[in-house]
Amino acid sequence: GGIITQTPKFLIGQEGQKLTLKCQQNFNHDTMYWYRQDSGKGLRLIYYSITENDLQKGDLSEGYDASREKKSSFSLTVTSAQKNEMAVFLCASRVGANTGQLYFGEGSKLTVL
Amino acid sequence: AQSVTQPDARVTVSEGASLQLRCKYSYSGTPYLFWYVQYPRQGLQLLLKYYSGDPVVQGVNGFEAEFSKSNSSFHLRKASVHWSDSAVYFCVLSASTGNYKYVFGAGTRLKVIA
Repeated sequence: GGIITQTPKFLIGQEGQKLTLKCQQNFNHDTMYWYRQDSGKGLRLIYYSITENDLQKGDLSEGYDASREKKSSFSLTVTSAQKNEMAVFLCASRVGANTGQLYFGEGSKLTVL
Repeated sequence: AQSVTQPDARVTVSEGASLQLRCKYSYSGTPYLFWYVQYPRQGLQLLLKYYSGDPVVQGVNGFEAEFSKSNSSFHLRKASVHWSDSAVYFCVLSASTGNYKYVFGAGTRLKVIA
């Protein structure tokens, strides 16, 4: 089996600050995702990456940047943190192009002061 | 457009009782459907998935779900719940092969009481 590791688990920042979340997977999966989870809502897609160095915008990409320099890692940057940014960010991955199971990390909780 | 509706935000059942969590989807093509569970402070874990074939699919920990094309539904069931089943359950839809996007329902928070 494999694992998805998200760091940090908790991130506290100031309004206007640039903040970065990291995700590592050892499944050797091609596709990786970043989702945002707000309380009482479903997951919303921020960015995804089909393969190394590929980036695709999701429905919620404004205010975020992403980076996929290696197949195993996928980073998400909040370009200017806002108070309504407080949420849990979930990283996920899956094999290849065929629709299949997503594997998730445990999440990173962002708090903006 | 694709969408997933979980009409019950919260469900409370007694331990040992049966459970049904409802999921309705909207999609004109052939859906791929999933149920995921999220335990406190954890990521989502797959319970079961439906791609085609038998409309009743079995999952982990005694869960099953039934796909109905006529009703556009994919309800999750369990015959007898345990306190450890307390969690948030998400119904998820994806379009057919080659698609990278998933549509998540808002989730149903299940509380199992003694």
